[in-house]
Amino acid sequence: QVQLVESGGGVVQPGRSLRLSCAASGFIFSNYALHWVRQAPGKGLEWVAVISYDGSNKYFADSVKGRFTVSRDSSKNTLFLQMNSLRPDDTAVYYCARDGYTYAYDYWGQGTLVTVSS
Amino acid sequence: EIVLTQSPGTLSLSPGERATLSCRASQSFSSTYLAWYQQKPGQAPRLLIYGASSRATGIPDRFSGSGSGTDFTLTISRLEPEDFAVYYCQQYGGSPWTFGQGTKVEIK
Repeated sequence: QVQLVESGGGVVQPGRSLRLSCAASGFIFSNYALHWVRQAPGKGLEWVAVISYDGSNKYFADSVKGRFTVSRDSSKNTLFLQMNSLRPDDTAVYYCARDGYTYAYDYWGQGTLVTVSS
Repeated sequence: EIVLTQSPGTLSLSPGERATLSCRASQSFSSTYLAWYQQKPGQAPRLLIYGASSRATGIPDRFSGSGSGTDFTLTISRLEPEDFAVYYCQQYGGSPWTFGQGTKVEIK
């Protein structure tokens, strides 16, 4: 069955960096675009970034552009989100989600919490 | 950027009642790119509807979606206890992918 499992969250000071991972299984990883979506505590969903199935195209929300990068390793079936210059308003649960060919996210991970605080 | 506005913010209903949730867009886009998700506390969102009206795998037929252009609707024909949750619409037409702010369906 399709599984997406995020890891790498934690507490980090403002201005520092963190790398999130999303381990995928149960499907052909290299066939699907993957997104990062976050949710601040008690708030709604916010799209963060997307990487195409082959890694050739990447897009970012304005709120993270220039600070976050996204990559994927097909040999490890893993998606990454490198977060630099973290700010308190980056505090959120970060989800990875699969683009299911239906113009929607058909599978989501369970999320990993990132807390940016001094 | 397409802004999605959901209404109402909170819907207080009893089990067995009908729920009608609205999602209005700041500009028109193809209904192909409109999705609805359900989220329960402490859980990841779950896809309910894609392409404005197609149910995702395993979604009961009491959930239905409709609409086009700038106005979209999610209807739950008869609320079951497990349907009380927050619902989000999303436009999937391209960067930035955007979500509505959510509608909470709570037990009256």
